Amino acid sequence: DVKVTQSSRYLVKRTGEKVFLECVQDMDHENMFWYRQDPGLGLRLIYFSYDVKMKEKGDIPEGYSVSREKKERFSLILESASTNQTSMYLCASSLGGWGREGRYEQYFGPGTRLTVT
Amino acid sequence: AQTVTQSQPEMSVQEAETVTLSCTYDTSENNYYLFWYKQPPSRQMILVIRQEAYKQQNATENRFSVNFQKAAKSFSLKISDSQLGDTAMYFCAFMKQGSYNTDKLIFGTGTRLQVFP
Repeated sequence: DVKVTQSSRYLVKRTGEKVFLECVQDMDHENMFWYRQDPGLGLRLIYFSYDVKMKEKGDIPEGYSVSREKKERFSLILESASTNQTSMYLCASSLGGWGREGRYEQYFGPGTRLTVT
Repeated sequence: AQTVTQSQPEMSVQEAETVTLSCTYDTSENNYYLFWYKQPPSRQMILVIRQEAYKQQNATENRFSVNFQKAAKSFSLKISDSQLGDTAMYFCAFMKQGSYNTDKLIFGTGTRLQVFP
């Protein structure tokens, strides 16, 4: 089974702090994603990566950055946390690549509920 | 741009009954995938069912089936013989079929389903 893990289930940070959310997948997937989940808004894509050191902005990248130094690890960074970044953050991965069966199916981590006070 | 609409924020059903969750989408693409994801309370998001747009036959996975109407851009999920474990948030999602690094999901806002004994 694919396993996607996130470093924390719950996190409380103060306004202005630098915050790191870590995600690790164990299935050699090429693609990794960070989403933000808010009630009434569904999931919105923040950033994604389709290869090591490669990244692309999603729909709401402002205030976030990402890092992918190793294939299995994708980090989301809040440079200076603000209260409007209080949310549930979900990481996902998918096989990717051309012509592979099931390449597009995304597997999700358990989520990190971040509270910024 | 593609959009996904789930017009039912909350639904409830009695155990063993059948329930249908609605989803509509807007796209100018001809080749795409559609998905239903399930997010149980405090648990990880998992894929319930997927449909390739080029396939006319509706997808089925055990008690879960879809009614895919491509011309109407409608993709509803039917859950038969509802079980208490089906209680969850359900998300409809769209993915454009295409180039290497476009495996991005666009989610609806979700439908919270409560199954009562």
